[in-house]
Amino acid sequence: DSGVTQTPKHLITATGQRVTLRCSPRSGDLSVYWYQQSLDQGLQFLIQYYNGEERAKGNILERFSAQQFPDLHSELNLSSLELGDSALYFCASSPRGGGYNEQFFGPGTRLTVL
Amino acid sequence: AQKVTQAQTEISVVEKEDVTLDCVYETRDTTYYLFWYKQPPSGELVFLIRRNSFDEQNEISGRYSWNFQKSTSSFNFTITASQVVDSAVYFCALSEAYSGNTPLVFGKGTRLSVIA
Repeated sequence: DSGVTQTPKHLITATGQRVTLRCSPRSGDLSVYWYQQSLDQGLQFLIQYYNGEERAKGNILERFSAQQFPDLHSELNLSSLELGDSALYFCASSPRGGGYNEQFFGPGTRLTVL
Repeated sequence: AQKVTQAQTEISVVEKEDVTLDCVYETRDTTYYLFWYKQPPSGELVFLIRRNSFDEQNEISGRYSWNFQKSTSSFNFTITASQVVDSAVYFCALSEAYSGNTPLVFGKGTRLSVIA
């Protein structure tokens, strides 16, 4: 158990809908990362937050947004969902934002868009 | 730009065989960090090791060992006397810079199947 929690574990929804994925980092970790894992794209970085502020953006679509709250948990919002958004979404946390930090991953949320 | 290549898509071995998973990386930074993660069938990503670019010492942890060679930009992972529980997808990843906000760049992964 990495100490990172993600809810829900599974999510099935329809095209055009909006969903929210939630992540609680390990106790004491200030940095949260979101990754998407799909069969064709592999593991892709989406966005990073550090102590409530956005720090880095990767291949995140405009339909997707995220935030980190004062208690350090984070939410990833996916809207106007398309079939191609079906993937495993991981949250990871690290003590700080530097590249030297190992990132500890949550169990993931499997999103299926029908 | 940073890139990680894991040329082996799938490897299948018989239990107790040794197996090496290859990882080749590209980066323009002189300071960077290399990682290996394991993704078992249950789906979670498990951190295995971190290496910084200034430390080329090989590392051994039980049946696992890692060989880091800057001259060939490689960070290979060997499992000795493989077991069925080692069956998983293994990812090599790279992060640049000591400070700043650089996420992990992952390779495509190598699926290892250990057959009893």
